[in-house]
Amino acid sequence: GQQVMQIPQYQHVQEGEDFTTYCNSSTTLSNIQWYKQRPGGHPVFLIQLVKSGEVKKQKRLTFQFGEAKKNSSLHITATQTTDVGTYFCAGYTGRRALTFGSGTRLQVQP
Amino acid sequence: DAGVTQSPTHLIKTRGQQVTLRCSPISGHKSVSWYQQVLGQGPQFIFQYYEKEERGRGNFPDRFSARQFPNYSSELNVNALLLGDSALYLCASSLTTDSGNEQFFGPGTRLTVL
Repeated sequence: GQQVMQIPQYQHVQEGEDFTTYCNSSTTLSNIQWYKQRPGGHPVFLIQLVKSGEVKKQKRLTFQFGEAKKNSSLHITATQTTDVGTYFCAGYTGRRALTFGSGTRLQVQP
Repeated sequence: DAGVTQSPTHLIKTRGQQVTLRCSPISGHKSVSWYQQVLGQGPQFIFQYYEKEERGRGNFPDRFSARQFPNYSSELNVNALLLGDSALYLCASSLTTDSGNEQFFGPGTRLTVL
């Protein structure tokens, strides 16, 4: 079955440093979504990427979808303590099951 | 507008028992999906329902079942509970089953099996 892996599992940064998480799928994805889950909370939708090579920005967050539509990345510039949480990528292979990655937990030291 | 609601918030059961979890989607959303999230892992897809019909099923045993009601709310049932069923159970609603739809998650039900 489809597998979605994320690296790193955990990252601890100083406030103001940049952060990147990478997502790799074993199969081609029709689209990819990114979610953020705060400690003790539930996943909250951030963005969706659909086109090969697509890049989208949300303030300090930059999302990229690979050319082969099998990988994606999320980059945060100048992290803030409000960025703390676990970031998940999730993809569809064309079927209705949304497969989540293992997540990257971000800790920001003030 | 009210978001996705789930009940109960916490639940403690013993092995072999049965449990029913409930979910009310956002008004106007016709699709409900259920996910299991074990501590430290990403949510795993269990079921998707749309217009009271099962539209997708993940790799879970037959002990897991669900249904959707005419008002689009949904129930997840788990029979013969195992210790490994301890997890956060998340419900998510979306407008349709279209893969491009954003999933709106509820706060979850924390199930502990002793």
